[in-house]
Amino acid sequence: AQKITQTQPGMFVQEKEAVTLDCTYDTSDQSYGLFWYKQPSSGEMIFLIYQGSYDEQNATEGRYSLNFQKARKSANLVISASQLGDSAMYFCAMREGMEYGNKLVFGAGTILRVKS
Amino acid sequence: GAGVSQTPSNKVTEKGKYVELRCDPISGHTALYWYRQSLGQGPEFLIYFQGTGAADDSGLPNDRFFAVRPEGSVSTLKIQRTERGDSAVYLCASSLNGLAANEQFFGPGTRLTVL
Repeated sequence: AQKITQTQPGMFVQEKEAVTLDCTYDTSDQSYGLFWYKQPSSGEMIFLIYQGSYDEQNATEGRYSLNFQKARKSANLVISASQLGDSAMYFCAMREGMEYGNKLVFGAGTILRVKS
Repeated sequence: GAGVSQTPSNKVTEKGKYVELRCDPISGHTALYWYRQSLGQGPEFLIYFQGTGAADDSGLPNDRFFAVRPEGSVSTLKIQRTERGDSAVYLCASSLNGLAANEQFFGPGTRLTVL
């Protein structure tokens, strides 16, 4: 089974509107971490936001927030007030377990295009 | 610069040749990761170093792939007898230590093309 599923290959959003990028995950671990990364066309991976499985509050970082629904195993990224510079590929990733150095498992990504 | 650097940025080689890809992590970061990203896909884990030792090499596809980090800083990913299927972007990441909550900082990647 896929560990990380991103069902939206591509999304469009109007500038200044909010957009939600979907992510569901599959793990039997109780302790895990969920990450979102942005990859612009230049190729670098930019960390956006992190949610730990035991965190009771949804993570927020500026215009980014993570809608964490543990029972549904979903960790959707919400981008508010979209900007043209938000156009990029977005990856959801999971790290299982809390011991040292667990690898990140990435989804296939969602391409976001912001329209002016 | 203070970020993760990778050299070369692009490498074109012929099938069967040997290549080395270099990663300079952020100073002070003890954890270093290699990932491979094929076109249109998310990165896939290859290997993780904690200090000088490879703590997890479960992602290396076969014995043609090998990585070292002899002094606990710079790492080199080595690919022997390259095949066309090895063509991908190879990403290096580092984190302060290997703790689960620590963000991994990625380098710009090396785009490897095997002709």
